Amino acid sequence: ETGVTQTPRHLVMGMTNKKSLKCEQHLGHNAMYWYKQSAKKPLELMFVYSLEERVENNSVPSRFSPECPNSSHLFLHLHTLQPEDSALYLCASSQSPTGNYGYTFGSGTRLTVV
Amino acid sequence: GENVEQHPSTLSVQEGDSAVIKCTYSDSASNYFPWYKQELGKRPQLIIDIRSNVGEKKDQRIAVTLNKTAKHFSLHITETQPEDSAVYFCAAEGFGNEKLTFGTGTRLTIIP
Repeated sequence: ETGVTQTPRHLVMGMTNKKSLKCEQHLGHNAMYWYKQSAKKPLELMFVYSLEERVENNSVPSRFSPECPNSSHLFLHLHTLQPEDSALYLCASSQSPTGNYGYTFGSGTRLTVV
Repeated sequence: GENVEQHPSTLSVQEGDSAVIKCTYSDSASNYFPWYKQELGKRPQLIIDIRSNVGEKKDQRIAVTLNKTAKHFSLHITETQPEDSAVYFCAAEGFGNEKLTFGTGTRLTIIP
């Protein structure tokens, strides 16, 4: 493990379900991110948290709701999703939200909405 | 905001030959340019990065070059091996910008 752990690895959910994705980092980093990875598209930034404060919400639909209770944990709460939301959801952390440090990614959650 | 374009989208190279992937960016204030490698079914991993005060950086078989005037940067892989097969992503970030903007990725296939 690289220090960023995501659970679950795979998730199948119906459009009326509510589920949550979890991300945990053990690197002492101060910034955490949610990215969406779809086939043949660039990695799409969804949310940025810096020291537990949300600093960016990249026009993400309200059916995605992030939560960062502390600097080590990040959640993505999902409800009433659409089939087009099926994708790989990647969590990442970095040493600092500024100062240009590389990201450490988790293994992702492969989400399928049926 | 920043826009990053990456070419080619797919690249096949004979084992032992070199591979070059190019990216352009739009924000002249961007000053940090990492490259990530994502093997099939795995997470993206940082393989090399360069900051704007440097024109070239090398780490064994991989190197990155940056042309700030033209706003483009490139990844060079020499003596390619089968384990180099993966999708490679470039990215750009301005200081204090709090996020990376990624390119669309290049699927590199090394032909034995």
